[in-house]
Amino acid sequence: QSVLTQPPSVSGAPGQRVTISCTGSSSNIGTPLDVHWYQQVPGTAPRLLIFGNTNRPSGIPDRFSGSKSGTSASLGITGLQVEDEADYYCQTYDSSLSGYVFGTGTKVTVL
Amino acid sequence: QVLLQQSGPGLVKPSQTLSLSCAVSGDSVSTDSSAWNWIRQSPSRGLEWLGRTFYQSKWIHQYALSVKSRITINADTSKNEFSLQLNSVTPEDSAVYYCVRGLSWHLGWYFDLWGRGTLVTVSS
Repeated sequence: QSVLTQPPSVSGAPGQRVTISCTGSSSNIGTPLDVHWYQQVPGTAPRLLIFGNTNRPSGIPDRFSGSKSGTSASLGITGLQVEDEADYYCQTYDSSLSGYVFGTGTKVTVL
Repeated sequence: QVLLQQSGPGLVKPSQTLSLSCAVSGDSVSTDSSAWNWIRQSPSRGLEWLGRTFYQSKWIHQYALSVKSRITINADTSKNEFSLQLNSVTPEDSAVYYCVRGLSWHLGWYFDLWGRGTLVTVSS
């Protein structure tokens, strides 16, 4: 049972924008520590999508963006494409657990 | 190009020890800018960080509280690989196990490179 809560699913038509929330607490997202995001296509390993709240690794399109405020973080996907269908996870450090934690995961469906 | 190549059995009997290795190419396990992690994923527990090892003047080992009494992660600099041992396994330990490189960023660490994963089933 994860300490970071995400909606189970979000969907949108091609070209639309979707947002995925990640809700935590004062021991994880509510600290100054960064939040990171991963994309996982079923049957493959997760891939880093956003690091340090807002930064994209080389090769990740600028359609993906991240933000953090208070005890929540968000991932935005603009110009939704069929290849964006995947599961998305947030991740940070939890000071109460003294370890790294992941969100519950959100499945993105392109209608 | 950095690659992580996992190896180890896919079937472990209950009460026995799960052992996996991860060979690193294109980076050094003893670099002070990287940490070497094991993360597992199962339908019931989701993505779960198990622990890591990294070198900062000496080897440091950090483990998740949920497995701390049963886990050992070590690095072998002669082979440039790191390993996971999880003792006294039960069917609850059945999962896909990933070896993962961690990088430090301002405040915190993120996981930038993942192995392909090893499906481990605990069953008699």
